[in-house]
Amino acid sequence: DTAVSQTPKYLVTQMGNDKSIKCEQNLGHDTMYWYKQDSKKFLKIMFSYNNKELIINETVPNRFSPKSPDKAHLNLHINSLELGDSAVYFCASSHASGGANEQFFGPGTRLTVL
Amino acid sequence: LAKTTQPISMDSYEGQEVNITCSHNNIATNDYITWYQQFPSQGPRFIIQGYKTKVTNEVASLFIPADRKSSTLSLPRVSLSDTAVYYCLVGAKTGANNLFFGTGTRLTVIP
Repeated sequence: DTAVSQTPKYLVTQMGNDKSIKCEQNLGHDTMYWYKQDSKKFLKIMFSYNNKELIINETVPNRFSPKSPDKAHLNLHINSLELGDSAVYFCASSHASGGANEQFFGPGTRLTVL
Repeated sequence: LAKTTQPISMDSYEGQEVNITCSHNNIATNDYITWYQQFPSQGPRFIIQGYKTKVTNEVASLFIPADRKSSTLSLPRVSLSDTAVYYCLVGAKTGANNLFFGTGTRLTVIP
């Protein structure tokens, strides 16, 4: 069984469209994250939820909106996509919040905005 | 965010020991040092964590000096399959902060 799964794996879309990426973890973890990784491998935290509550919201355009329907799911919705949004987006989860807790990452979603 | 600094890239021949150093001058008392490995087209995965002195597991060793302002990940006798990006992360067991991964160190193992 995949511990942290994301769908879709690849997403190609036009500028201005709205898209969503879904994430699910079956590890029973309380904390989930969204990261963005650019072409230079810079891995940047975007959001973190603990028990469905938003606890980290880094400087991210408000076109990005995370939603956590329950502890096992954290989805990312992006409105009005721009060229600069092209990147790989990783979902992750950990037992608790705090950077010292081992994070389990999903396989990533490669978003390409044309 | 407690930021870290690592070399952008390193090359090594197969069979050699590789040491990757990470600087974290602003590390706090409650912070641990964690290293992750990322293969192409995959998410990062945990490899080792330490608080002070030395930690060793089946994959790597982690050396942390007394002042804890830096740490060194040591990979013994690397193989081609160790080619990856290595990230160091500094953070505490609790709290909603300290999630700075940065660009990591791209290790290329040469035959």
